[in-house]
Amino acid sequence: EPEVTQTPSHQVTQMGQEVILRCVPISNHLYFYWYRQILGQKVEFLVSFYNNEISEKSEIFDDQFSVERPDGSNFTLKIRSTKLEDSAMYFCASIPSKYTDTQYFGPGTRLTVL
Amino acid sequence: AQSVAQPEDQVNVAEGNPLTVKCTYSVSGNPYLFWYVQYPNRGLQFLLKYITGDNLVKGSYGFEAEFNKSQTSFHLKKPSALVSDSALYFCAVRDPLNNNDMRFGAGTRLTVKP
Repeated sequence: EPEVTQTPSHQVTQMGQEVILRCVPISNHLYFYWYRQILGQKVEFLVSFYNNEISEKSEIFDDQFSVERPDGSNFTLKIRSTKLEDSAMYFCASIPSKYTDTQYFGPGTRLTVL
Repeated sequence: AQSVAQPEDQVNVAEGNPLTVKCTYSVSGNPYLFWYVQYPNRGLQFLLKYITGDNLVKGSYGFEAEFNKSQTSFHLKKPSALVSDSALYFCAVRDPLNNNDMRFGAGTRLTVKP
Protein backbone atom coordinates (compact mmCIF):
# COMPACT_ATOMS: atom_id res chain seq x y z
CA GLU A 1 0.00 0.00 0.00
CA PRO A 2 1.42 3.42 -0.90
CA GLU A 3 2.62 5.54 2.00
CA VAL A 4 3.63 9.10 2.69
CA THR A 5 7.34 9.21 3.48
CA GLN A 6 9.35 11.84 5.30
CA THR A 7 13.05 12.56 5.65
CA PRO A 8 14.97 12.85 7.83
CA SER A 9 13.40 10.99 10.71
CA HIS A 10 15.31 13.20 13.16
CA GLN A 11 16.94 16.57 12.55
CA VAL A 12 19.07 18.38 15.10
CA THR A 13 19.95 21.99 14.44
CA GLN A 14 21.27 25.08 16.16
CA MET A 15 18.99 27.99 16.91
CA GLY A 16 18.97 30.45 14.03
CA GLN A 17 19.80 27.88 11.41
CA GLU A 18 17.60 27.04 8.45
CA VAL A 19 16.09 23.58 8.13
CA ILE A 20 14.23 21.88 5.33
CA LEU A 21 11.94 18.99 6.11
CA ARG A 22 11.08 16.75 3.21
CA CYS A 23 7.97 14.78 2.39
CA VAL A 24 7.04 12.55 -0.49
CA PRO A 25 3.24 12.37 -0.64
CA ILE A 26 1.41 9.45 -2.20
CA SER A 27 1.93 9.75 -5.95
CA ASN A 28 -1.58 10.53 -7.18
CA HIS A 29 -2.42 12.87 -4.32
CA LEU A 30 -3.04 16.54 -4.99
CA TYR A 31 -3.55 18.17 -1.58
CA PHE A 32 -0.74 18.36 0.91
CA TYR A 33 -0.50 19.37 4.55
CA TRP A 34 2.00 20.01 7.29
CA TYR A 35 1.15 19.53 10.95
CA ARG A 36 3.20 20.05 14.07
CA GLN A 37 3.13 18.19 17.37
CA ILE A 38 5.09 19.68 20.24
CA LEU A 39 6.13 16.90 22.61
CA GLY A 40 3.20 15.77 24.72
CA GLN A 41 0.77 18.16 23.09
CA LYS A 42 -1.87 18.03 20.42
CA VAL A 43 -1.32 17.84 16.69
CA GLU A 44 -1.68 21.33 15.17
CA PHE A 45 -2.40 22.29 11.58
CA LEU A 46 0.27 24.43 9.94
CA VAL A 47 -0.49 24.74 6.25
CA SER A 48 -2.26 23.20 3.29
CA PHE A 49 -1.06 23.29 -0.29
CA TYR A 50 -2.76 22.68 -3.60
CA ASN A 51 -1.94 23.48 -7.19
CA ASN A 52 1.43 24.91 -6.25
CA GLU A 53 0.15 27.42 -3.79
CA ILE A 54 -0.84 27.68 -0.15
CA SER A 55 -4.57 27.25 0.24
CA GLU A 56 -4.74 27.82 3.97
CA LYS A 57 -2.38 28.43 6.86
CA SER A 58 -2.65 28.72 10.61
CA GLU A 59 -1.42 31.49 12.85
CA ILE A 60 1.59 29.31 13.68
CA PHE A 61 2.73 29.47 10.06
CA ASP A 62 4.45 32.84 10.16
CA ASP A 63 7.05 34.39 7.86
CA GLN A 64 9.71 32.02 9.14
CA PHE A 65 7.92 29.13 7.46
CA SER A 66 7.57 28.35 3.78
CA VAL A 67 6.47 25.38 1.72
CA GLU A 68 7.38 24.29 -1.74
CA ARG A 69 6.78 21.52 -4.20
CA PRO A 70 10.04 21.74 -6.11
CA ASP A 71 9.34 18.80 -8.39
CA GLY A 72 6.59 16.30 -9.03
CA SER A 73 7.20 14.26 -5.93
CA ASN A 74 8.64 16.25 -3.03
CA PHE A 75 6.82 18.62 -0.70
CA THR A 76 9.07 20.59 1.62
CA LEU A 77 8.69 22.68 4.74
CA LYS A 78 11.41 25.26 5.35
CA ILE A 79 12.02 27.06 8.60
CA ARG A 80 14.33 29.99 7.89
CA SER A 81 15.68 30.78 11.32
CA THR A 82 14.81 28.12 13.84
CA LYS A 83 13.83 28.93 17.39
CA LEU A 84 13.90 26.69 20.42
CA GLU A 85 10.11 26.52 20.38
CA ASP A 86 10.18 25.05 16.87
CA SER A 87 11.32 21.78 18.42
CA ALA A 88 8.51 19.38 17.62
CA MET A 89 7.42 16.46 15.50
CA TYR A 90 6.40 17.59 12.03
CA PHE A 91 3.95 15.48 10.07
CA CYS A 92 3.18 15.65 6.39
CA ALA A 93 -0.18 14.44 5.08
CA SER A 94 -1.83 14.14 1.69
CA ILE A 95 -5.14 13.35 0.06
CA PRO A 96 -5.99 12.61 -3.57
CA SER A 97 -8.85 15.08 -3.95
CA LYS A 98 -10.94 17.56 -2.04
CA TYR A 99 -13.68 14.95 -1.85
CA THR A 100 -11.49 12.60 0.19
CA ASP A 101 -12.32 12.59 3.85
CA THR A 102 -9.28 10.80 5.27
CA GLN A 103 -5.82 12.29 5.38
CA TYR A 104 -2.81 10.01 5.04
CA PHE A 105 0.05 10.88 7.34
CA GLY A 106 3.76 10.30 7.08
CA PRO A 107 5.86 8.98 9.97
CA GLY A 108 7.03 12.45 10.94
CA THR A 109 10.33 14.26 11.36
CA ARG A 110 11.47 15.03 14.87
CA LEU A 111 13.11 18.47 14.86
CA THR A 112 15.31 19.37 17.80
CA VAL A 113 16.55 22.95 18.03
CA LEU A 114 19.45 23.48 20.42
CA ALA B 1 -15.04 26.92 15.47
CA GLN B 2 -15.06 23.17 15.63
CA SER B 3 -13.07 21.29 18.21
CA VAL B 4 -12.70 17.96 19.94
CA ALA B 5 -11.88 17.19 23.53
CA GLN B 6 -10.31 14.09 24.97
CA PRO B 7 -10.99 14.32 28.69
CA GLU B 8 -8.50 11.65 29.73
CA ASP B 9 -4.75 12.02 29.34
CA GLN B 10 -4.21 8.40 30.23
CA VAL B 11 -6.26 5.21 30.18
CA ASN B 12 -5.02 2.00 31.75
CA VAL B 13 -6.68 -1.35 31.15
CA ALA B 14 -5.76 -4.97 31.67
CA GLU B 15 -5.27 -7.19 28.67
CA GLY B 16 -8.49 -8.91 27.70
CA ASN B 17 -10.70 -6.26 29.25
CA PRO B 18 -12.81 -3.86 27.20
CA LEU B 19 -11.38 -0.43 26.59
CA THR B 20 -12.94 2.96 25.96
CA VAL B 21 -11.15 6.13 24.93
CA LYS B 22 -13.41 9.15 25.17
CA CYS B 23 -13.91 11.98 22.73
CA THR B 24 -16.46 14.77 22.62
CA TYR B 25 -16.85 17.25 19.85
CA SER B 26 -18.14 20.73 19.26
CA VAL B 27 -19.20 21.69 15.76
CA SER B 28 -21.78 23.72 13.98
CA GLY B 29 -23.43 21.29 11.64
CA ASN B 30 -22.67 17.67 10.88
CA PRO B 31 -19.15 16.61 11.76
CA TYR B 32 -16.67 14.35 10.10
CA LEU B 33 -15.03 12.49 12.98
CA PHE B 34 -11.86 10.43 12.99
CA TRP B 35 -9.66 8.36 15.23
CA TYR B 36 -5.95 8.09 14.63
CA VAL B 37 -3.37 6.05 16.53
CA GLN B 38 0.28 6.90 17.04
CA TYR B 39 2.71 4.16 18.02
CA PRO B 40 6.10 5.13 19.46
CA ASN B 41 8.30 6.84 16.89
CA ARG B 42 5.66 6.42 14.23
CA GLY B 43 3.28 8.71 12.40
CA LEU B 44 -0.44 8.95 12.75
CA GLN B 45 -2.31 5.92 11.47
CA PHE B 46 -5.94 6.15 10.49
CA LEU B 47 -8.21 3.86 12.53
CA LEU B 48 -11.75 4.75 11.60
CA LYS B 49 -14.10 7.54 10.69
CA TYR B 50 -17.70 8.65 10.91
CA ILE B 51 -19.05 10.59 7.97
CA THR B 52 -22.70 9.61 7.78
CA GLY B 53 -24.93 6.57 8.15
CA ASP B 54 -24.71 3.95 10.87
CA ASN B 55 -23.69 5.44 14.20
CA LEU B 56 -21.47 2.48 15.01
CA VAL B 57 -18.40 2.43 12.82
CA LYS B 58 -15.85 -0.33 12.72
CA GLY B 59 -12.21 0.21 11.96
CA SER B 60 -8.80 -1.36 11.95
CA TYR B 61 -7.44 -3.78 14.57
CA GLY B 62 -10.89 -4.55 16.01
CA PHE B 63 -11.62 -0.98 17.09
CA GLU B 64 -15.02 0.60 16.79
CA ALA B 65 -16.55 3.93 17.70
CA GLU B 66 -20.07 5.12 18.30
CA PHE B 67 -21.28 8.46 17.09
CA ASN B 68 -23.74 9.88 19.61
CA LYS B 69 -25.29 13.11 18.42
CA SER B 70 -27.24 13.84 21.59
CA GLN B 71 -24.12 13.54 23.74
CA THR B 72 -21.81 14.97 21.04
CA SER B 73 -19.49 12.07 21.62
CA PHE B 74 -17.44 9.69 19.50
CA HIS B 75 -15.86 7.26 21.95
CA LEU B 76 -13.41 4.66 20.72
CA LYS B 77 -13.97 1.13 21.95
CA LYS B 78 -12.58 -2.35 21.73
CA PRO B 79 -14.15 -5.40 23.38
CA SER B 80 -10.88 -7.05 24.37
CA ALA B 81 -7.67 -5.04 24.70
CA LEU B 82 -4.26 -6.30 23.65
CA VAL B 83 -0.90 -5.22 25.01
CA SER B 84 -0.03 -4.17 21.46
CA ASP B 85 -2.88 -1.64 21.55
CA SER B 86 -0.77 0.50 23.88
CA ALA B 87 -0.27 3.78 22.02
CA LEU B 88 -1.38 7.39 21.79
CA TYR B 89 -4.87 7.87 20.39
CA PHE B 90 -6.11 11.07 18.78
CA CYS B 91 -9.67 12.05 18.02
CA ALA B 92 -10.10 14.56 15.20
CA VAL B 93 -12.91 16.52 13.61
CA ARG B 94 -13.06 17.99 10.15
CA ASP B 95 -15.33 20.54 8.63
CA PRO B 96 -17.25 18.68 5.87
CA LEU B 97 -16.92 21.72 3.65
CA ASN B 98 -13.24 22.37 4.22
CA ASN B 99 -10.57 19.71 3.81
CA ASN B 100 -8.05 21.99 5.43
CA ASP B 101 -9.86 22.47 8.69
CA MET B 102 -8.93 19.38 10.67
CA ARG B 103 -8.64 19.71 14.44
CA PHE B 104 -7.10 17.13 16.70
CA GLY B 105 -7.68 16.42 20.34
CA ALA B 106 -4.83 16.47 22.82
CA GLY B 107 -4.47 12.71 22.70
CA THR B 108 -5.03 9.90 25.18
CA ARG B 109 -2.26 7.51 26.09
CA LEU B 110 -3.61 3.98 26.33
CA THR B 111 -1.62 1.47 28.32
CA VAL B 112 -2.70 -2.14 28.27
CA LYS B 113 -1.05 -4.24 30.95
CA PRO B 114 -0.58 -7.99 30.66
